[in-house]
Amino acid sequence: AQKVTQAQTEISVVEKEDVTLDCVYETRDTTYYLFWYKQPPSGELVFLIRRNSFDEQNEISGRYSWNFQKSTSSFNFTITASQVVDSAVYFCALSEALGSNFGNEKLTFGTGTRLTIIP
Amino acid sequence: DAMVIQNPRYQVTQFGKPVTLSCSQTLNHNVMYWYQQKSSQAPKLLFHYYDKDFNNEADTPDNFQSRRPNTSFCFLDIRSPGLGDAAMYLCATSKTGRGRKGSLHFGNGTRLTVT
Repeated sequence: AQKVTQAQTEISVVEKEDVTLDCVYETRDTTYYLFWYKQPPSGELVFLIRRNSFDEQNEISGRYSWNFQKSTSSFNFTITASQVVDSAVYFCALSEALGSNFGNEKLTFGTGTRLTIIP
Repeated sequence: DAMVIQNPRYQVTQFGKPVTLSCSQTLNHNVMYWYQQKSSQAPKLLFHYYDKDFNNEADTPDNFQSRRPNTSFCFLDIRSPGLGDAAMYLCATSKTGRGRKGSLHFGNGTRLTVT
């Protein structure tokens, strides 16, 4: 069975500090996708990134960066120079194929990390 | 913009009174999913439609049903809501095909309150 662990339940940092959200996963699949989603207080899930299991290159998008390490089954997310608008719950997720067709899949989510940025 | 739309954003129903949540999409995706997210918990898959084929998760209660009359619409029916069914319900879509893995699109969710 697939599993995603986000050990940090809540994190608070002062604005402009850097913060890293941890994600550790378990899967038997050789091909899988990892995701990060942001859920602001309004409730919707906002897609941040998708990473193929074959691509271990780190990725940077503005103030966001992701560190994927297959050897430790981790996919950590760092926000640089945090802002109040970054306050949200962040979910890490792992995809599992529901059939033989690409795109028919189930996301297993971690329990989320609530990030609060203090002005 | 093409998107996944859920109505209403907030729904209040009484204990035991049937309620229907709706989801529509303009993405022409062939797979539609319903996730349940209880307070401070991770979203959990209830069921999904692959084209017209309905697929229930093993632990989804019988109280939850779904209908997909056409490609664009999918409904979640809760036959007799209990207090424990209060949650955010998230609809998502995806399109199958090579290179499509990992392309789920979520709606904004419907927050259900049971009184």
